[in-house]
Amino acid sequence: DSGVTQTPKHLITATGQRVTLRCSPRSGDLSVYWYQQSLDQGLQFLIQYYNGEERAKGNILERFSAQQFPDLHSELNLSSLELGDSALYFCASSVIGANTGELFFGEGSRLTVL
Amino acid sequence: GENVEQHPSTLSVQEGDSAVIKCTYSDSASNYFPWYKQELGKRPQLIIDIRSNVGEKKDQRIAVTLNKTAKHFSLHITETQPEDSAVYFCAAPNTGNQFYFGTGTSLTVIP
Repeated sequence: DSGVTQTPKHLITATGQRVTLRCSPRSGDLSVYWYQQSLDQGLQFLIQYYNGEERAKGNILERFSAQQFPDLHSELNLSSLELGDSALYFCASSVIGANTGELFFGEGSRLTVL
Repeated sequence: GENVEQHPSTLSVQEGDSAVIKCTYSDSASNYFPWYKQELGKRPQLIIDIRSNVGEKKDQRIAVTLNKTAKHFSLHITETQPEDSAVYFCAAPNTGNQFYFGTGTSLTVIP
């Protein structure tokens, strides 16, 4: 158990719909990252938050948005869903200090768009 | 962002043989180089990491080497076992602590 909690574990929806994925980081971790992993693909960096503020954006589509709340949990919102959005979405958290450290991943949310 | 290249994309070895996976990175300011293992249907987990002030680090059957001048680092697995079969990812966080991962290496250890 990494200490990072993601819900839901599985989600099936239709094209054009909107879904929200939720992530609770490890206790004490201020930084949250979202990654997308399509079938047989690598880990695509979407977005990073640090202590409630957006820190960096990667390959995140305009249809996607995210936020980190004062209690440090984060939500990834995916709208106008397309078949190609079907993927495993990982949240990860880390402590950011003087040195970069380990990323702790949640179990992922598997999104299927039909 | 950081550009991380990883080779090979697939690797098959006989049980007991060694496996080597290589990564290159572009951001010369990167100073932390982790390797993650992802078993089928599971989350990536850190297996070993190295910081730029050392050239090699070992943990039992796995080791990582770093060449900062050439901007590449490698994962070495010796005496491979079937349970080593998984996808392995390297990463090279940039100065903003964004973790960009390599494209992954699918390792199959043949019993």
